[in-house]
This record gives sequence, structure tokens and C-alpha cells, in this order.
Amino acid sequence: EAQVTQNPRYLITVTGKKLTVTCSQNMNHEYMSWYRQDPGLGLRQIYYSMNVEVTDKGDVPEGYKVSRKEKRNFPLILESPSPNQTSLYFCASSLDRGVGGYTFGSGTRLTVV
Amino acid sequence: AQSVTQPDIHITVSEGASLELRCNYSYGATPYLFWYVQSPGQGLQLLLKYFSGDTLVQGIKGFEAEFKRSQSSFNLRKPSVHWSDAAEYFCAVSNDMRFGAGTRLTVKP
Repeated sequence: EAQVTQNPRYLITVTGKKLTVTCSQNMNHEYMSWYRQDPGLGLRQIYYSMNVEVTDKGDVPEGYKVSRKEKRNFPLILESPSPNQTSLYFCASSLDRGVGGYTFGSGTRLTVV
Repeated sequence: AQSVTQPDIHITVSEGASLELRCNYSYGATPYLFWYVQSPGQGLQLLLKYFSGDTLVQGIKGFEAEFKRSQSSFNLRKPSVHWSDAAEYFCAVSNDMRFGAGTRLTVKP
């Protein structure tokens, strides 16, 4: 089944403790992206990647890192999480930079205390 | 800069009634336009998309959307809403997928 898989689904952590949210797609998509969803704000793009070793900032990149060493994987790294990063995070992929639409993962609900 | 506005934060309709969710965009040229649905606890699912051509596009689950260039709008419609349509709906523009804030749909029995 074609899908985007995120892990974990739920995560509670403490301020300053480094964490990684994994994202993997099995559709051979070149384009991958991370979003955060907050009430009243919709989805805001954090980082995106147009291909292996090519990443770029989205609208809200502060406090986040990403890497794209393989085509299928696009992990989101929070080096020193803070409470304002408490949010619902989505990974998405597309064959053609979103022209045909994205396939989304099921989301990761992160709480930073 | 591209932007997309969904004026209605929350809409309630009765089951069987018609539905229209509004979406307005701001962009120099006609962007690619999308509607996504997010059921509770789920990721987003693509309902339909518009690139060019016929301004009325059909999607999954009985939804359709009409592109109106003069109004910079791409409103989502459904003639008869089912209880399972209760969800949050997002309009998105262009190929870097800029999203609106979403409209939450409640369906009354």
C-alpha cells in the first residue's frame, strides 16, 4: 500500500531533550515536506526537500532541522524542544512538488513540557 | 506572496442538506488549487484538485469545486451531506501547498 509513515504517533517530552520524528514513504516520491498544524493557523510548512541532499526552509523553520540522505526518509529533528513546539506534525510527499497533490502521514502529536 | 483564506472557521449543517465551503486565494496567476479533508485523528486526504480547463471539478466522496477566476475563489460543494462528512476541510494553493486555516464541519442528525 502506498503510504507515508510517521513515528511516533504521540510523544511527550521535556524541554531541551533532543528528539527525532521519523518519516518514510514507499512511493519513490522526490518531494517531501514537514508541516505543523495549530488551531486557527492551519498547516504551516517547516521544511521541504526536493530530492536527496536538497532541503530548504519553509515558513516556520526555527528550532527544527531535517535531513534527506535517502529518497524515502525525511526525519524531523528538534535539537532542543521548547513548549511552543507543542503541535501536531505532518509529513507529506509528492511525486512532483505537490502539483498532483500530497500524500500525508497520519501525524505526530508532540507535547513539550 | 501566495495566500489562501477560508472565511468560515466552523460550519454546521443538517444531514441531507447542501454544503458550500468557501476558499479565496491571492496570487498573481491562476495557481493550482486543492481541497483536502482531515477526519478526526487522521492525516489529510486529497478530495480534488484544479489545474486548468473545466472550472467545475469533481472529487471523491461526492464533492465538487468550482473555480471562479473573477472572484479568486475555489469553493467546495456537496449537494447532500452525510454524517460521515463531519471533518475539517482545508483549501490549498499552488505547488508548494500553502494552506488555509481550515473549516470545521459539524453535521447535525
